[in-house]
Amino acid sequence: DAKTTQPPSMDCAEGRAANLPCNHSTISGNEYVYWYRQIHSQGPQYIIHGLKNNETNEMASLIITEDRKSSTLILPHATLRDTAVYYCIVRPWGGFKTIFGAGTRLFVKA
Amino acid sequence: SQTIHQWPATLVQPVGSPLSLECTVEGTSNPNLYWYRQAAGRGLQLLFYSVGIGQISSEVPQNLSASRPQDRQFILSSKKLLLSDSGFYLCAWSTGPGNTIYFGEGSWLTVV
Repeated sequence: DAKTTQPPSMDCAEGRAANLPCNHSTISGNEYVYWYRQIHSQGPQYIIHGLKNNETNEMASLIITEDRKSSTLILPHATLRDTAVYYCIVRPWGGFKTIFGAGTRLFVKA
Repeated sequence: SQTIHQWPATLVQPVGSPLSLECTVEGTSNPNLYWYRQAAGRGLQLLFYSVGIGQISSEVPQNLSASRPQDRQFILSSKKLLLSDSGFYLCAWSTGPGNTIYFGEGSWLTVV
């Protein structure tokens, strides 16, 4: 069973920020939060990860709550090419087993 | 920079036939290697991982096997395919356990 919970789908207007939530209430102290996205028929693409601090890179920002039980991936200016399934996963440092759930299907609309 | 390639991209195989999917990683040494499977509309399931040549760990008992004959080569095999083996197979790598996993392009397998 996935250790994260995400809404099955979301819509976002092109040019607006897309905020994708993830619940990971059972996260352990040594587990990182990772985000990937998968465009149809392609392998998942790494986006960003974090432990407890907020992170930002050229693709997105990751906001992790202080209790680490939830996080939000922010795509600041969504484009049509951001339409994809977004996976939030928790991955222990030093561990191999990573469980991917069903993710959130994000539809960016013109 | 590191790259990962897997092939073939698509294949249609009859039930009972063998399978061989191959994956290679370039630009890194001694990577951790992984095989995942994704059924239609579902999440990814970890099948095998490897920390070195000849070292394979299986996560799910099934009709498939994996081998790592060289440092940057990972092969997924089956002697006799089942209908339930159909799916999207993904090879992936990381620099170590717990580190970021990078995925290949995937291979679509349809067993008929």
